[in-house]
Formats: sequence, structure tokens, C-alpha cells
Amino acid sequence: GQQLNQSPQSMFIQEGEDVSMNCTSSSIFNTWLWYKQEPGEGPVLLIALYKAGELTSNGRLTAQFGITRKDSFLNISASIPSDVGIYFCAGQLNAGNMLTFGGGTRLMVKP
Amino acid sequence: DGGITQSPKYLFRKEGQNVTLSCEQNLNHDAMYWYRQDPGQGLRLIYYSQIVNDFQKGDIAEGYSVSREKKESFPLTVTSAQKNPTAFYLCASSARWGLAFDNEQFFGPGTRLTVL
Repeated sequence: GQQLNQSPQSMFIQEGEDVSMNCTSSSIFNTWLWYKQEPGEGPVLLIALYKAGELTSNGRLTAQFGITRKDSFLNISASIPSDVGIYFCAGQLNAGNMLTFGGGTRLMVKP
Repeated sequence: DGGITQSPKYLFRKEGQNVTLSCEQNLNHDAMYWYRQDPGQGLRLIYYSQIVNDFQKGDIAEGYSVSREKKESFPLTVTSAQKNPTAFYLCASSARWGLAFDNEQFFGPGTRLTVL
């Protein structure tokens, strides 16, 4: 089946730093979603991408749909302590298909 | 407020017992999903339902059962046949099945099940 690899698996950064994480696939997706999960809670949708090359922002978060359709990137600018959590990517081939989730990137921010 | 609720937040069960996890949504979404999450891992799909009175097995359906008698409700039963049931269970819903822009999944707060 399809595999999604997220990297890095974890990051420990200083408050104020920028963060980059990515998600790569062995096959193409036509939709990419990025979620954030805080401890003991369900994931919350951050950004949805529907076109190759698309760049979408949500506040300090920016995500890009890779032009090969096999990868996606999430950047967080000027990190703050409340950015702590696990960030998941999810890909979908077509509208009738299920989501495939990456293993997550755990972000820790030092004040 | 519209949203997805799951209850209870924490659940303890003795080995060999069946237990049912509740999931309710008031978003008028057609599709609903159940995922399992183990520590440090991603989400694995247990069951999904595209519409009322219909449901399909996901990747790890063995030892689980579901029903979809009402649009807003999609309860999950963890049976004694599930060999390793201790996990965090997440319910999700999406507006429509088959339309990209309506297929974004929104998650409930989760239920942590511990088998003693």
C-alpha cells in the first residue's frame, strides 16, 4: 500500500525559530492535508492543499503541495510554546479514496 | 457549537469484555470514520461509513464492530476478539464522500481505552 514518510520524527527548537518539516510518498497524491495534535486530543486540520505547486498559509503556518505530487512541506515561522504538538500529514489519491497518514513530527519548543 | 463528541474520555475494561465507544456529530456530515492510534504512531483506519446504514472495513477491522443507524452517530464496539485493544481511539467525520473539497476529515477529542 501507499506509504507516507514524515521527517523529522521529532524536533526540539528554541522559541522564535522557524520550523520546517516534510512528508514524502512513494506514489502520487492529489490532496494533501496537514493536522496538529496536542497531547490527549484529536488532530485539528491546519491546511488543505488541492493542486500541485499550491502554497497556502494559515497565520504563521505555510504548506506547499510539491510539484511532483509525491511530497508536501509545512513551515512554521517564529515558533511559540503553544506550537508544541505532533504534526501529521495526510494524503489522498482521489476524492473517493481514504486518507493515508504519515507517522507524525513531534515538535517541542523551549521558551 | 457544531462538532464531534466522543465519550468517555478514558475507559478501563477487563480483559475478555466487550466495550462500546460513542461518537456523535452535529455537523450534518455524511461520512464517519474510526481510527486507532498507538503511542508514537500515526493513525490506522478501523471502519468507515459513507452514509447511514452503510459501513466498510478499514485496514485493521478485526476484533471491532460498528453500526450506523443514525446520521449523527457511529459507535465502535471493541470486542474480546481484539488481541491488543489498549490504544487511543479517534472518531472523524467529513461532509461528503467522493467530493475532494468536502472530504476533509474533522476529528473528535478521542477516547483512551485501557485493558486491565
